Amino acid sequence: EVQLLESGGGLVQPGGSLRLSCAASGFTFSRYDMNWVRQSPGEGLEWVSAISTGGSDTDYADFAKGRFTVSRDNSKNTLYLQMNSLRAEDTAIYYCAGEDDYNDANWFDPWGQGTLVTVSS
Amino acid sequence: QSALTQPHSASGSPGQSVTISCTGTSSDVGAYNFVSWYQQHPGKAPKLMIYDVSKRPSGVPDRFSGSKSGNTASLTISGLQADDEADYYCCSHAGSSYVFGTGTKVTVL
Repeated sequence: EVQLLESGGGLVQPGGSLRLSCAASGFTFSRYDMNWVRQSPGEGLEWVSAISTGGSDTDYADFAKGRFTVSRDNSKNTLYLQMNSLRAEDTAIYYCAGEDDYNDANWFDPWGQGTLVTVSS
Repeated sequence: QSALTQPHSASGSPGQSVTISCTGTSSDVGAYNFVSWYQQHPGKAPKLMIYDVSKRPSGVPDRFSGSKSGNTASLTISGLQADDEADYYCCSHAGSSYVFGTGTKVTVL
């Protein structure tokens, strides 16, 4: 079964840091570009970051540049998002999602179930 | 990058059709044939419904169809069913990034 399982979310104070993980199983993780997408409570989806299959290329939304770092460990089939200098507006469910690079995909499938990050004092 | 514009809501009776628009710019929707659509039920992760403007993944009913003209993409749901009631988001490639739509809540009357 294809599965992405996020973890690492929780309550953090403004200015704090958090590291999210996304464990992949049931498919060839190293064949997929990977992304983080977030959704603030009651709001829409927002793309956060992407990383290439080998990890050499990364992209970020403007709000994430300089504060968030995406990385991956293909030997562990795991994607990461290091988030620093967190703000209240970063409060959201964070989803990881894959893009099948083998098929030159420009869409997100599969998705994880999400992990909630709450930034509050 | 500004979010793509979608109507806040759309509705139809069972068996009817509903079309959702997704308006972007010449830098995203108009520039690439890489528009995808996602269905999201409350408390659930998004699910891919359409990719590359009009292609359906395996397992998605042919009641769902997509199209694009200029800077506007559209999703049409034909033969509405109760389970189609959900939020729908468009998404477009935008160079080195992606941009999502504002989301449309579809209600089956």
